[in-house]
Amino acid sequence: GIQVEQSPPDLILQEGANSTLRCNFSDSVNNLQWFHQNPWGQLINLFYIPSGTKQNGRLSATTVATERYSLLYISSSQTTDSGVYFCAVDNFGNEKLTFGTGTRLTIIP
Amino acid sequence: ETGVTQSPTHLIKTRGQQVTLRCSSQSGHNTVSWYQQALGQGPQFIFQYYREEENGRGNFPPRFSGLQFPNYSSELNVNALELDDSALYLCASSGMVVSGSSSYNEQFFGPGTRLTVL
Repeated sequence: GIQVEQSPPDLILQEGANSTLRCNFSDSVNNLQWFHQNPWGQLINLFYIPSGTKQNGRLSATTVATERYSLLYISSSQTTDSGVYFCAVDNFGNEKLTFGTGTRLTIIP
Repeated sequence: ETGVTQSPTHLIKTRGQQVTLRCSSQSGHNTVSWYQQALGQGPQFIFQYYREEENGRGNFPPRFSGLQFPNYSSELNVNALELDDSALYLCASSGMVVSGSSSYNEQFFGPGTRLTVL
């Protein structure tokens, strides 16, 4: 099956810093979603982005489908950005997501 | 429009017991998927239901089973619980999102049920 790798596994930053999270996948995809998992376990949708670039406030994401990677950018980090960020892909168009291992982001005041 | 809901929030069972977890899909969504998330890992796909039929299954044994009802709500049943079944169980429903001139199916997750097997 498709492999999804995320880097870095852990990231600790001061409040106000910018960060870039990376997701590599091993095959072409029909769907790519970024999620933020809060400390209570809730997965919050950030972006649906199988290709191209999207922005939502301080967050933006870019997927280069031909090179099989996606990047999530977080600018001016806040403590509420802390948590685990997951990239998940669906390579058959059947809505069965394969998740990466996540990046744990910790923002220090 | 209500989001995806799951019950119960937490559950403690002993090895060998059976458990039923419940999920109500987001309004208008007819596809429900279940995922298992062990501590420190990403969610793993268990199975998916579409219009009351199983529509694909991940690498989980038959003691993991499910149902989908006419209102598209769903249940996950696990028989003969093992210690390794301790995990966060997540339900997701899929629905069409229209954005400008494009449309696509996006999954939305419930808050999860945390199962502990002793």
